[in-house]
Amino acid sequence: AQSVTQLDSQVPVFEEAPVELRCNYSSSVSVYLFWYVQYPNQGLQLLLKYLSGSTLVESINGFEAEFNKSQTSFHLRKPSVHISDTAEYFCAVTLEGKLQFGAGTQVVVTP
Amino acid sequence: NAGVTQTPKFRVLKTGQSMTLLCAQDMNHEYMYWYRQDPGMGLRLIHYSVGEGTTAKGEVPDGYNVSRLKKQNFLLGLESAAPSQTSVYFCASSYGQENQPQHFGDGTRLSIL
Repeated sequence: AQSVTQLDSQVPVFEEAPVELRCNYSSSVSVYLFWYVQYPNQGLQLLLKYLSGSTLVESINGFEAEFNKSQTSFHLRKPSVHISDTAEYFCAVTLEGKLQFGAGTQVVVTP
Repeated sequence: NAGVTQTPKFRVLKTGQSMTLLCAQDMNHEYMYWYRQDPGMGLRLIHYSVGEGTTAKGEVPDGYNVSRLKKQNFLLGLESAAPSQTSVYFCASSYGQENQPQHFGDGTRLSIL
């Protein structure tokens, strides 16, 4: 059974439109949560992380994610996307000491 | 500061051949990891190491071996390559604690014919 679920495999979006990428995980204990971004032919880069404290975390390039403990979710949002945001986005959760990745969501931004 | 470096970047093998993928990090990280990435499956952990001289199995270890003789290097070996091992392989490293992010290399694209 998959422990980290990204509900959308691909999300097409127009430039300057908002986008939301959904991530749910299955765990009853405290976890650490991450979003990584992968540009074509590159490795994964950390986008943002939730460790503790404020449930809303932000990245330097306008993305934000909110940790919802009751819904075991960590959805990623951006109010206005750019062409350069075209990439694959991975949600990852530390479960039982290991980092578990979701299947990824491909975001395609078009003019 | 190169971060995590993987070699080679591309390789084509015939079934039954062997090869070694090399990962080097210059961040003095204790933990190192090998993942494979396949379409629609995210990243799956093959093996990992929590320090020099140690290795442990991940989620999909069969058909692979690893070694961590030096803290900065983590080698992934395929003794007898199979078409099912066609994938993109990523190495990562981290300071080790669960709340620390992992730093990834750019990947090795491996095709087994």
